[in-house]
Amino acid sequence: DAGVIQSPRHEVTEMGQEVTLRCKPISGHDYLFWYRQTMMRGLELLIYFNNNVPIDDSGMPEDRFSAKMPNASFSTLKIQPSEPRDSAVYFCASSLVVGQRNTEAFFGQGTRLTVV
Amino acid sequence: AQSVSQHNHHVILSEAASLELGCNYSYGGTVNLFWYVQYPGQHLQLLLKYFSGDPLVKGIKGFEAEFIKSKFSFNLRKPSVQWSDTAEYFCAVKGSGNTGKLIFGQGTTLQVKP
Repeated sequence: DAGVIQSPRHEVTEMGQEVTLRCKPISGHDYLFWYRQTMMRGLELLIYFNNNVPIDDSGMPEDRFSAKMPNASFSTLKIQPSEPRDSAVYFCASSLVVGQRNTEAFFGQGTRLTVV
Repeated sequence: AQSVSQHNHHVILSEAASLELGCNYSYGGTVNLFWYVQYPGQHLQLLLKYFSGDPLVKGIKGFEAEFIKSKFSFNLRKPSVQWSDTAEYFCAVKGSGNTGKLIFGQGTTLQVKP
């Protein structure tokens, strides 16, 4: 398996534009997480899905942020409209639960978003 | 509420020095615990994990961690660090099974001087 795949790797956009980040989890994994990493706030959990269903979106900072998982192999994180303070590295991760046992989360390479 | 706290934000060591990074968590049930490492410009990679059994867990690159349930701690250790260990280290906790979310501590930046 190629691991968790995120696209794009880098995104530079102007303030006010819509940004869509994409993630393909590892095949067979039933959990998908979106994180945001900044110097000031560290690694923040934005939202996570279990079997394509959003379980907890309490980390989503504002209504400008939305995430979807239309099927087991694809998820998007959308910011509309984007603002300079959204500049960060966004990571997607996936994991698997077998019975009561979690695997570790496997991370994608991240998308470095710069909003100017 | 579920939370993870890492005591050290920035640690500077000389090569061959011993390392211990503190991690405490707050969670009401059975937990799975993880340490991840992030090398400069890269994504997070797993160092080691604890699910159950022996509370002393050995990971890659000579790292180990000890789960002390009574202290809600999962400290990371390495007897002798190398320059290549320079990175950011994250402790993470998830409720076991289908409960709980995977959350991370603030991270500890380790700088090893050659």
